Formats: sequence, C-alpha cells, structure tokens
Amino acid sequence: EDQVTQSPEALRLQEGESSSLNCSYTVSGLRGLFWYRQDPGKGPEFLFTLYSAGEEKEKERLKATLTKKESFLHITAPKPEDSATYLCAAFTYGQNFVFGPGTRLSVLP
Amino acid sequence: DGGITQSPKYLFRKEGQNVTLSCEQNLNHDAMYWYRQDPGQGLRLIYYSQIVNDFQKGDIAEGYSVSREKKESFPLTVTSAQKNPTAFYLCASTQTGGSYEQYFGPGTRLTVT
Repeated sequence: EDQVTQSPEALRLQEGESSSLNCSYTVSGLRGLFWYRQDPGKGPEFLFTLYSAGEEKEKERLKATLTKKESFLHITAPKPEDSATYLCAAFTYGQNFVFGPGTRLSVLP
Repeated sequence: DGGITQSPKYLFRKEGQNVTLSCEQNLNHDAMYWYRQDPGQGLRLIYYSQIVNDFQKGDIAEGYSVSREKKESFPLTVTSAQKNPTAFYLCASTQTGGSYEQYFGPGTRLTVT
C-alpha cells in the first residue's frame, strides 16, 4: 500500500533558527514528490515538485531535496510568516497523489 | 486570473439533507480531484476525473457522488448516506502529461448538524 509519512508532527522554532522537515514515502512507483504550504482555513499552496533522487529546488528561505526514500524541506533563518502546515505528496504511476499528514510549523519572533 | 474557485466558503446543513459543493477551474486542466481534510489528518481522495464524462472513486467515495459534464466543472454532492460529512473539502486540478503540478481551490467548510 502506498504511504507517505511526515515528521515531526509539529515544530516550534525561534526566528532565525534553521531546521528541516522530513517526508518519507513508500510507493509503488514515484513520478514526482510535491511540497505544499497550507495556512489555516485555506487550500494548499504549491511550493515544489521533485522528480528524481538528488534533485534540489529552492525558493526564498526554503530548499527541498529528494532521495530514493525521503524528501527534506530545509528552512533557513525562518521568519514568523513562514508559520504554516507543510504537506508533502507522492504522485504515483497509478495517477494518484498520496498525501502525508503534514508538519505544523510555528516560528516565534 | 487563472485558478480554481470553490463555493460557498462555509456551508451549514441539517442531517439527512444532500448538499452540492461547487468547483470551477479556468486553467484548462484535464484532471480534477476532490479531497476531504479532517483535523490532524492528511488529505484523503474522494473522487477524481481525468476526462469529461469519466470519473473514478478514491479511497473514501462512499456517501459522495460527482459529475463531470464540462471540463471546467466538477461538482461534489455529499449525500445523506455519508456518516460523518462535517469536514473541510478541497478541489484540485492537474494538467496531465506535463509536470502534474496540482493546484487547489480555497476549500469549502461543511458543517452538518
């Protein structure tokens, strides 16, 4: 069964304190690994797609990386406005998106 | 502006009533999806459609129905058979054959009492 897990469930950081979020996946065939940001009461906002192991993508303070079993979202010198839930999803050759439960990030000023 | 619209943002219904949630996209995407999100849980797939007049059940389709008569529209009906319908419902779309980036609407929060 295809499965995506995320850790930690929740993370509190001080402003400027860098950290990483983990997304582990077990799927029959990975076509792409997606990262989203979701603010409370809103739809997820697309951040990155990674297609192959070793690939990296960056956007402002965020950098996503991919291995054959997991993906990391690195947050460098976060600001309070980075507070949100971060979701990852595996897109499979079965044309399905399998979502993880998310990591709830709080960045304190 | 291109995007996905969902209406209404908040919806309240009495138990036993069917309710239809609207989803419209002007991104010219082929595939459309409906997800349900409950607190502390990941998105769970209800139904998806990769082409007009065709759709497939997702993991939790029981108590829900959909139609895809137009490429731009993918309404979801929550029927009285759905045991626990109170949730946040998200519609999404994807352009197949390309990057498969999936974009989401703003969501509809349904409360059934």
